[in-house]
Amino acid sequence: AQSVTQLDSHVSVSEGTPVLLRCNYSSSYSPSLFWYVQHPNKGLQLLLKYTSAATLVKGINGFEAEFKKSETSFHLTKPSAHMSDAAEYFCVVSAFRGSGYSTLTFGKGTMLLVSP
Amino acid sequence: GAGVSQSPRYKVAKRGQDVALRCDPISGHVSLFWYQQALGQGPEFLTYFQNEAQLDKSGLPSDRFFAERPEGSVSTLKIQRTQQEDSAVYLCASSFRDTEAFFGQGTRLTVV
Repeated sequence: AQSVTQLDSHVSVSEGTPVLLRCNYSSSYSPSLFWYVQHPNKGLQLLLKYTSAATLVKGINGFEAEFKKSETSFHLTKPSAHMSDAAEYFCVVSAFRGSGYSTLTFGKGTMLLVSP
Repeated sequence: GAGVSQSPRYKVAKRGQDVALRCDPISGHVSLFWYQQALGQGPEFLTYFQNEAQLDKSGLPSDRFFAERPEGSVSTLKIQRTQQEDSAVYLCASSFRDTEAFFGQGTRLTVV
C-alpha cells in the first residue's frame, strides 16, 4: 500500500525567504509522486510530478521537489516565497490499480502562511 | 467545458435527508473520480468511472453512498439518509485516461 506523511501541518515564512515543505512516502514499488496546491475556494492544482525520470522536478510558480529514494522523501522547495503562495499544499502518491487507471493518496496537507 | 464543474457549491442538509451532487467533467475525459475531503484532512478516494463503467467503488464509506455516470459524461454522487459524519467537501476530478487529473472546486456538504 502507498502512503504519504507530511511532517508539518503549518509552515510560516516571511515574504522573500525560502520555503521547505516536507513529505515522506511509503510505497511497495517505484512511486509516482505529486504536489498539489489548494487555494481557498479554488480547486486543487497540480504543482509538479515525479514519474521516475529526473529526480529533481521543476514545477509551476518557481517550485521544485527532489525525489530521494534513500530517504523516501519528496520535499517541496521554493527559493523565495511570495504572498500569493499562501495556500494548503498536499503531497500525493499515485497507486496503479490496473485496468488503465491510478488513484491518488493524499497527505493531510501543510498550510503555508506567508507574512509581509 | 473549460474545467471540471461541480454543483451545488454549498449544500446544507438536515440529518436523514437525501442529497445529490453533480459533476460535469472536462469534455472528452474518459476517467472520472470522486474524493471526499473532511475538515483538516487530505482528500480520500471514493470511486472511479471509466466512461460509464464504475470500475472501482472501494472507497465508498457505506451503502448509503451511490454514484452513477450513465452516459459517460456527467456524474452524480448520491448520499441517502445523510449523517453528520458525511459533512465534508466532495471533489470530482477527471482525466483523459491515466494522465493528469483536473479537479473541480468541490461541493461543501454540511449536515445539520
